[in-house]
Amino acid sequence: DAGVIQSPRHEVTEMGQEVTLRCKPISGHDYLFWYRQTMMRGLELLIYFNNNVPIDDSGMPEDRFSAKMPNASFSTLKIQPSEPRDSAVYFCASSNTGGSYEQYFGPGTRLTVT
Amino acid sequence: AQSVTQPDIHITVSEGASLELRCNYSYGATPYLFWYVQSPGQGLQLLLKYFSGDTLVQGIKGFEAEFKRSQSSFNLRKPSVHWSDAAEYFCAVGGEGYQKVTFGTGTKLQVIP
Repeated sequence: DAGVIQSPRHEVTEMGQEVTLRCKPISGHDYLFWYRQTMMRGLELLIYFNNNVPIDDSGMPEDRFSAKMPNASFSTLKIQPSEPRDSAVYFCASSNTGGSYEQYFGPGTRLTVT
Repeated sequence: AQSVTQPDIHITVSEGASLELRCNYSYGATPYLFWYVQSPGQGLQLLLKYFSGDTLVQGIKGFEAEFKRSQSSFNLRKPSVHWSDAAEYFCAVGGEGYQKVTFGTGTKLQVIP
């Protein structure tokens, strides 16, 4: 099992540019979560999906952030336009309704906005 | 609303010493409790979980945790720490039928020789 796959692992971009982060959940998992981790705010849940449908996006910081899940094996988190305060590590995680509520985390994408 | 408090931001222990990391939770019903570990540059990995039954749960890497309902606590323990245990540890709380969990702010563990 390949686990949760995220790409890219590192992204450096200039302020104002569009950034797209990608996630492939574990096959068969029906929940997908996007988190952001910073030193100041810790681990924050941004949004999560169930069966490709967004369930709770209350953690999305503002309209510059958007997330989609067009199918069960792919999700994107987009920031447009990006700002330096968006610099963080973004994690994707997946879990399975029939399972043990354990969330399986990807390795994360380290985003730096200059 | 559910919440988790990890009162210790940073802990330093000597290799071979025992370890206890504190976690207090707030949840209106029977909680589902988790401990995750994050090594530098990595994602989070589940150490152990409590849903019901025996209040002392065993996890991977020699860790255990005890659920104490009266104290709303779920402290993580290890009898003898290894240098490879240096990492950040997160406690989390959820509930039955509720896939979303709330994470604590984490405790960073440093192990000195």
